[in-house]
Amino acid sequence: GNSVTQMEGPVTLSEEAFLTINCTYTATGYPSLFWYVQYPGEGLQLLLKATKADDKGSNKGFEATYRKETTSFHLEKGSVQVSDSAVYFCALISGGYQKVTFGTGTKLQVIP
Amino acid sequence: GAVVSQHPSRVICKSGTSVKIECRSLDFQATTMFWYRQFPKKSLMLMATSNEGSKATYEQGVEKDKFLINHASLTLSTLTVTSAHPEDSSFYICSGGPGQGTDTQYFGPGTRLTVL
Repeated sequence: GNSVTQMEGPVTLSEEAFLTINCTYTATGYPSLFWYVQYPGEGLQLLLKATKADDKGSNKGFEATYRKETTSFHLEKGSVQVSDSAVYFCALISGGYQKVTFGTGTKLQVIP
Repeated sequence: GAVVSQHPSRVICKSGTSVKIECRSLDFQATTMFWYRQFPKKSLMLMATSNEGSKATYEQGVEKDKFLINHASLTLSTLTVTSAHPEDSSFYICSGGPGQGTDTQYFGPGTRLTVL
């Protein structure tokens, strides 16, 4: 079956630090990959996505590259802000279905 | 992106009562919508797939008689928690995507249910 593995959190960074949140996946076929973000007390928002190998998704300074050879989709940002504090979920959809398989989420806390 | 709304955003009810949560796609039609449950500091657990005009499909371990799902139109799915108990307290989130076979799901803002 499909699965997504994310690095354990929480991750605490100082403002303007570089962020990497690792994500690897197992899936049948050729999945589409996503990063969702959940701010405190809110639902999930789509942050970025990539639908095929070597695609790079990017949004709000975040980016992630679909690496088929390493089955990875690591999230990066060059300079984090306090407002980036949230829980980040790596996810995939595969097999023509719309069901989303989520990772466990990684909490990011950015301190001034 | 597409917009999904949920109502209510928060609800507190007494044990034994039933609670209905609405999920609406505001700017697209969805033949399929999904209901998730999120426990504190945990990931989302898929509960069921809501199919417009037909019965919902439940994931293993989810009681279909307790979590009633109705998908009466292409823009509305409802989840009713029947005879709620404190252990049903959770954050419930729905999702939908425009068009069949879409590869992107858009999530509602969630409903916080507290059962006293």
